Amino acid sequence: KAGVTQTPRYLIKTRGQQVTLSCSPISGHRSVSWYQQTPGQGLQFLFEYFSETQRNKGNFPGRFSGRQFSNSRSEMNVSTLELGDSALYLCASSLGAEEIHNEQFFGPGTRLTVL
Amino acid sequence: AQKVTQAQTEISVVEKEDVTLDCVYETRDTTYYLFWYKQPPSGELVFLIRRNSFDEQNEISGRYSWNFQKSTSSFNFTITASQVVDSAVYFCALSEARGSTLGRLYFGRGTQLTVWP
Repeated sequence: KAGVTQTPRYLIKTRGQQVTLSCSPISGHRSVSWYQQTPGQGLQFLFEYFSETQRNKGNFPGRFSGRQFSNSRSEMNVSTLELGDSALYLCASSLGAEEIHNEQFFGPGTRLTVL
Repeated sequence: AQKVTQAQTEISVVEKEDVTLDCVYETRDTTYYLFWYKQPPSGELVFLIRRNSFDEQNEISGRYSWNFQKSTSSFNFTITASQVVDSAVYFCALSEARGSTLGRLYFGRGTQLTVWP
């Protein structure tokens, strides 16, 4: 069974640009969560989607947005990039529904560098 | 408020030593889940274990064991006879089972474990 895939793996952008990251969950998983990992703040929750609906959102500015498609694939978008957005962005998938507390399986991450 | 504390930032041991990684958590929920993840240099978080708040039995899986104590809000992780391949950052995480934060993982800051040959 294929794991969680994230594309691209590496990305370099400049301040003010926008970026879209993609995540394909494990087949059959309907919940996708996004996390940001930085040396300063550690792992922080961005948002979670289930059946194309955002169910949960962390404390990030509106520049961070996401969506989920009918095939459970998810994208997150960051607009007007800032230097502080440089981070490893991790996507996690789980079965979802009432069992959201099931283990979340993480992808390899997208390393975003903002210059 | 939900919080996970991993007081040990870095630990270094020599191969075959036993090592325990500490995790202390805070939550107001009576139903919650605790997790341990491993992050090797490649960056991907690898799931190790999930434990729910109603099951305080210790668990052993090969060289790994976990000690969950609700009385002290701790969920410690022990690696027996450590190996160089165990070198990684280990994260403890908390998930609450209900409410607006359902399913969200709260991570500790992680413990960097280095095992020397």
